[in-house]
Amino acid sequence: NAGVTQTPKFQVLKTGQSMTLQCAQDMNHEYMSWYRQDPGMGLRLIHYSVGAGITDQGEVPNGYNVSRSTTEDFPLRLLSAAPSQTSVYFCASSYGGTSQPQHFGDGTRLSIL
Amino acid sequence: GDSVTQMEGPVTLSEEAFLTINCTYTATGYPSLFWYVQYPGEGLQLLLKATKADDKGSNKGFEATYRKETTSFHLEKGSVQVSDSAVYFCALSDNTGNQFYFGTGTSLTVIP
Repeated sequence: NAGVTQTPKFQVLKTGQSMTLQCAQDMNHEYMSWYRQDPGMGLRLIHYSVGAGITDQGEVPNGYNVSRSTTEDFPLRLLSAAPSQTSVYFCASSYGGTSQPQHFGDGTRLSIL
Repeated sequence: GDSVTQMEGPVTLSEEAFLTINCTYTATGYPSLFWYVQYPGEGLQLLLKATKADDKGSNKGFEATYRKETTSFHLEKGSVQVSDSAVYFCALSDNTGNQFYFGTGTSLTVIP
């Protein structure tokens, strides 16, 4: 009963490095999304996907890329990390978009030096 | 655009006290409204939801009523427990059903 699995749980990067945050779900959910959580700002939507091969931008997409080649996986890529991307990142999935309950992973804590 | 404004924290209450966390929203159309809870070191969990005006969501003793006339969705609990200590987020799903907007979160600490 895995639900939404995020890896890694913690990561430290240097400015300019690239990295992929992994997200996988085993519930056959069509909708998947990525959020960043910053102190005093709640969670903000980065990118989302309504199905394999379909992605779109959320509220704060700059500096991040996504792809959705399978229903199960939705990786988030940082092409050139910046200190402003230091945050906790959450992946979520649901059966039918955001009007349905979202299932969240446990998060990835990312620090950019 | 759509947005959620949530009561600032942190909130500290004694066990068995009454809890209210205020939440108001701005949205076009008829959004669905949610409360999520985040325990330390964990992801968010759905606490309750309401999908139309005057709906009342409830779970684990928590309640919230969707008030369209005041664009509010305040969270209440009659008697809090130490185990309720967490961060609570109000959120809305926009008209497209593709975008989610969270409030800034309210940290609740319940002391014995």
